[in-house]
Amino acid sequence: NAGVTQTPKFRVLKTGQSMTLLCAQDMNHEYMYWYRQDPGMGLRLIHYSVGEGTTAKGEVPDGYNVSRLKKQNFLLGLESAAPSQTSVYFCASNNGGVSYGYTFGSGTRLTVV
Amino acid sequence: GESVGLHLPTLSVQEGDNSIINCAYSNSASDYFIWYKQESGKGPQFIIDIRSNMDKRQGQRVTVLLNKTVKHLSLQIAATQPGDSAVYFCAERRNNNDMRFGAGTRLTVKP
Repeated sequence: NAGVTQTPKFRVLKTGQSMTLLCAQDMNHEYMYWYRQDPGMGLRLIHYSVGEGTTAKGEVPDGYNVSRLKKQNFLLGLESAAPSQTSVYFCASNNGGVSYGYTFGSGTRLTVV
Repeated sequence: GESVGLHLPTLSVQEGDNSIINCAYSNSASDYFIWYKQESGKGPQFIIDIRSNMDKRQGQRVTVLLNKTVKHLSLQIAATQPGDSAVYFCAERRNNNDMRFGAGTRLTVKP
């Protein structure tokens, strides 16, 4: 039982490049989330999904897209990376939405130069 | 206590002492709160939660207190150990699908 697995763990992108961050969970959770964490700030919600085939915008969705084609996977895409997207990205999942604690992955540290 | 900014509040305690980490939340309608622990280079880890119909909840070596009158949450860690060194942050549920996280407090345990 691996929990929530994020790949890659580290990545450096040039401005304008694109990439996809993968999140996989093996707990059969319905809800999945993508957050970003910046120094001195709390986690901010980018996008979330309440089930397979669904996605919704969070607090800071601009510049990102997501897909949930399979229940266990939640992909976060950056179409044209910008330095402002330099951050640590965390994926989380649970079965009860925001009324229950999340299980987080170990994060992806992304640097855009 | 918690604040938003470039520098996290810090708390330094001696091993074996009790720690109290504070959090001020913003929305009086928030009805569910969670404390997370985040060690360096790792994702946040759930510690304990409390719903707004409770004032206190205890776990193993941890206690969360909720004061809705002043919108204040605290995490008490008994007999703090070196392994407790981490960033601790609270989260509040404001409404459906809206969970907001504080920036955190860095706890350092001195041997």
